[in-house]
Amino acid sequence: AQSVTQLDSQVPVFEEAPVELRCNYSSSVSVYLFWYVQYPNQGLQLLLKYLSGSTLVKGINGFEAEFNKSQTSFHLRKPSVHISDTAEYFCAVNPNDYKLSFGAGTTVTVRA
Amino acid sequence: DGGITQSPKYLFRKEGQNVTLSCEQNLNHDAMYWYRQDPGQGLRLIYYSQIVNDFQKGDIAEGYSVSREKKESFPLTVTSAQKNPTAFYLCASSRDRENTEAFFGQGTRLTVV
Repeated sequence: AQSVTQLDSQVPVFEEAPVELRCNYSSSVSVYLFWYVQYPNQGLQLLLKYLSGSTLVKGINGFEAEFNKSQTSFHLRKPSVHISDTAEYFCAVNPNDYKLSFGAGTTVTVRA
Repeated sequence: DGGITQSPKYLFRKEGQNVTLSCEQNLNHDAMYWYRQDPGQGLRLIYYSQIVNDFQKGDIAEGYSVSREKKESFPLTVTSAQKNPTAFYLCASSRDRENTEAFFGQGTRLTVV
């Protein structure tokens, strides 16, 4: 079994400041890793994914994440946020059995 | 445009009634999923289907039922046995069994009145 822990439930940040959202997972097998974004009352949109290869993954809207196998982490970063980045962000893990497990989510609020 | 369509967007149900949520995809994906979302709990898997005429229980299947008679359709029925059905329901699909990327619908918000 696997679990996903998002270490911060709320992250307030000022516009143009950097942001990091932390995600740790537990799994005894190789996994696929994902970050999704959700705007209010909408579905989830994929930001980026790690399947294999380079541990630094670049996604849409200027986001990137780094896979660290030894620390079982997949933290999401953006060097400079915009007001439009205000949303909820979910980390997810797929241990090759097609069932995604999601973290509880991190709400990012960007202030001017 | 290809995508996943969930309907209705908002749904109200009286206690004791069954209700069916629709999910249709035109992406030609093999696998489809239903998730329930509650505040502060992330998404929890209700049911999933990897192929037509086959589906499996997820982590919280009690009080729910599904069917997969067509590749493009995966309706979810919330039965009266579900004790706390008020939630946001999300349908997703993925191209393959490995689920290397899931695509989500816009969700249905169900409220029991």
